[in-house]
Amino acid sequence: QSALTQSRSVSGSPGQSVTISCTGTSSDVGSYNHVSWYQQHPGKAPKLMIYDVSKRPSGVPDRFSGSKSGDTASLTISGLQAEDESDYYCCSYAGTYTWVFGAGTKLTVL
Amino acid sequence: QLQLQESGPGLVKPSETLSLTCAVSGGSISTDNRYWGWVRQPPGKGLEWLATIYYTGLTFYNPSLKSRVAMSVDTSRNQFSLRLSSVTAADTAVYYCARHYDHLFDFWGQGALVTVSS
Repeated sequence: QSALTQSRSVSGSPGQSVTISCTGTSSDVGSYNHVSWYQQHPGKAPKLMIYDVSKRPSGVPDRFSGSKSGDTASLTISGLQAEDESDYYCCSYAGTYTWVFGAGTKLTVL
Repeated sequence: QLQLQESGPGLVKPSETLSLTCAVSGGSISTDNRYWGWVRQPPGKGLEWLATIYYTGLTFYNPSLKSRVAMSVDTSRNQFSLRLSSVTAADTAVYYCARHYDHLFDFWGQGALVTVSS
């Protein structure tokens, strides 16, 4: 069970849109619509931002959206704000009651 | 509001067993279709799912740790626990407990740093 692949870092200016990708395999991301995304600020616990590829929990701004194509899931943040600067992790169901996280992407708001 | 709180030794010696407990408040651990899990994060690194348990005792483990990890649940105390045996420095991490259901982790504890060192 290998970690999902995420770009190490991404950046954008306030107001812009950024997309964070999460690449797995046909055994995890490619097989199930159970991809979730978590935001983690330094020293804090992760926070659920997206689940089941594109669903947003209540309280999460609609600036955050998710999608999936083949073995790659994506998190898009539009109208970038300073408080969006954080680490983002994807997670996918990998079958047989196992789950795998991505290595994380650091988002910098310029 | 559901709250989770990890507790346990912050320092464990190599080859010994790491033990952590997660106390759940603001809701019952015995709720149908709600599972409970552990996720860890080594310093400066990413998240890793370790294990998940249902209140009946049904468990699921990360295959890479299966021989060393065990979870248990105490419904009378509304808490669940993690044991990781034969630890090495590579097991040094912040350990989070979380509610785990429908393939997502929605409520998290604040995390407990466990250092493996002699």
